[in-house]
Amino acid sequence: AQSVTQLDSQVPVFEEAPVELRCNYSSSVSVYLFWYVQYPNQGLQLLLKYLSGSTLVESINGFEAEFNKSQTSFHLRKPSVHISDTAEYFCAVRYTGGFKTIFGAGTRLFVKA
Amino acid sequence: EAQVTQNPRYLITVTGKKLTVTCSQNMNHEYMSWYRQDPGLGLRQIYYSMNVEVTDKGDVPEGYKVSRKEKRNFPLILESPSPNQTSLYFCASSAGGGTSPSLYEQYFGPGTRLTVT
Repeated sequence: AQSVTQLDSQVPVFEEAPVELRCNYSSSVSVYLFWYVQYPNQGLQLLLKYLSGSTLVESINGFEAEFNKSQTSFHLRKPSVHISDTAEYFCAVRYTGGFKTIFGAGTRLFVKA
Repeated sequence: EAQVTQNPRYLITVTGKKLTVTCSQNMNHEYMSWYRQDPGLGLRQIYYSMNVEVTDKGDVPEGYKVSRKEKRNFPLILESPSPNQTSLYFCASSAGGGTSPSLYEQYFGPGTRLTVT
């Protein structure tokens, strides 16, 4: 069965420290990969996506994610977090030829001053 | 402003009382979807629609119905709600229903928090 695993349910980190949120998916076929962010009491919004080409993708607010096909991973990283990055982050996978998007359980990032 | 709207935002109801949660998008998107969000489970897809009059089950369709009579609207219907349907519900839309992957980005509504007692 297709699945997405986010290895950490909660990640507490101090402001200006680096962070990595891990995501693995189960598949041997081509995929499209997404990270969505949910701020408190809001809907989800796209943070970044991998469709094809360069395996390293970046967002406008300093996050980046690297697609690793051999390890079926799409980990999200930021070299220096801010208080405003406190949110829940969801990894999502859409398999080529399909219409369904599968989400991970989410990782709650909590940035402390 | 491009957006997905849902109504109501909050709803408390009793077991067995039929309810409808509306969803509307103003981006002329083909693809629309309903998810429920539960702690520790992330988002699970209930139903999705690739276009008008074309719908299909997601991973957790039991107890829900949908319809897609117009491109912009995709209501979620609970014919006989039960307490296990207490959850946070999100509607989403995207331009791509199976064509260009660059259109697969989903736009989410603000959510509807449903409590069934």
